[in-house]
Amino acid sequence: GDSVTQTEGLVTLTEGLPVMLNCTYQTIYSNPFLFWYVQHLNESPRLLLKSFTDNKRTEHQGFHATLHKSSSSFHLQKSSAQLSDSALYYCALKAASSGQKLVFGQGTILKVYL
Amino acid sequence: DPKIIQKPKYLVAVTGSEKILICEQYLGHNAMYWYRQSAKKPLEFMFSYSYQKLMDNQTASSRFQPQSSKKNHLDLQITALKPDDSATYFCASSQDGGQNTLYFGAGTRLSVL
Repeated sequence: GDSVTQTEGLVTLTEGLPVMLNCTYQTIYSNPFLFWYVQHLNESPRLLLKSFTDNKRTEHQGFHATLHKSSSSFHLQKSSAQLSDSALYYCALKAASSGQKLVFGQGTILKVYL
Repeated sequence: DPKIIQKPKYLVAVTGSEKILICEQYLGHNAMYWYRQSAKKPLEFMFSYSYQKLMDNQTASSRFQPQSSKKNHLDLQITALKPDDSATYFCASSQDGGQNTLYFGAGTRLSVL
């Protein structure tokens, strides 16, 4: 079945350093949709950015990601981390083979320190 | 104003009891979902409904029963509650088709004692 694998567990960074959270996926469907969701403490997940176009960079709120179908990847990046970026990040996949549902990765906690 | 309303926000239940989690969405979406989030597992898909019809069910236990009385309602009935059912249950909705963005409610945090 469809699956998503993310950077394991916890990523800690000093403010101002670049962020990179890895996401790879598996699906038999050739045209998947990929999403990044962010969940701050005691809040619900909300969409950060999404893409279905191969090799096209998508950006939102300082974050960016590029879907690479050749490597089945959709890594999340930001040039300079801020304290407010501390949150739980989920990569998610939607493919026709999985119906209407989003399949989420295990989540990566990002903690940014001064 | 929240567009996806979940009730209650917090719920404490006794092992073996039955509870209903309420979800209403006012986004005009035709697809609704239930996800579960616990310390042991991250966001875990449970059910999806489209136009009030069950589309997908990834919950092994029949103790979990979704109920859709209206297009914008998808409640979750849980019977014979167990401590392992303790989790935050998120209701979500989306517009059918394509690159549909999933919108989540605030969640119901269930604790089973």
